[in-house]
Amino acid sequence: NAGVTQTPKFRILKIGQSMTLQCTQDMNHNYMYWYRQDPGMGLKLIYYSVGAGITDKGEVPNGYNVSRSTTEDFPLRLELAAPSQTSVYFCASSYLQGNGELFFGEGSRLTVL
Amino acid sequence: QKEVEQNSGPLSVPEGAIASLNCTYSDRVSQSFFWYRQYSGKSPELIMSIYSNGDKEDGRFTAQLNKASQYVSLLIRDSQPSDSATYLCAASNAGGTSYGKLTFGQGTILTVHP
Repeated sequence: NAGVTQTPKFRILKIGQSMTLQCTQDMNHNYMYWYRQDPGMGLKLIYYSVGAGITDKGEVPNGYNVSRSTTEDFPLRLELAAPSQTSVYFCASSYLQGNGELFFGEGSRLTVL
Repeated sequence: QKEVEQNSGPLSVPEGAIASLNCTYSDRVSQSFFWYRQYSGKSPELIMSIYSNGDKEDGRFTAQLNKASQYVSLLIRDSQPSDSATYLCAASNAGGTSYGKLTFGQGTILTVHP
């Protein structure tokens, strides 16, 4: 099993550009999450999903959108990129009814200039 | 506003010593607590979870929970240089509409020197 796979690993965007961070998991987990981590900080929840077709906002959703058309995939869309979105983004999944025991992808480092 | 607070450190201990990492939380509804280890440039990985008051031991790691004091700690015995990492404390409400959403502390940097 590959676990949770994120692409791209690195990306530089110009202000106002848009992009999608891809996340896929092969563990048949229902619960998936997007977190961002700023330097020296913990992780902040952006969006989460409890199953295909169901998504909801986390703590810091502004400037982002998600979709969940399949159990495996949970892409994160950044619209009109801003310097404040410079961060490391982690996708995670959970197998046991969202009990907090998360499996993380390797992360995507995004810089907005 | 739910908050999880950690001393950001860095905490430096000699090899073989006990490292003690602490965490407090503000939301009394929090029921489940987790310690994640994050090596520099890597993703977090779960090392301990604790759900009830008291101690939980797993190898060299012991997690301690005191819900009355809203306090969680992680002890690492016989610390090794390979334990050098950032340790993230996280809290979640159990079941219901929590959906496993975690509130993370800012992390404590641990350095184990030979």
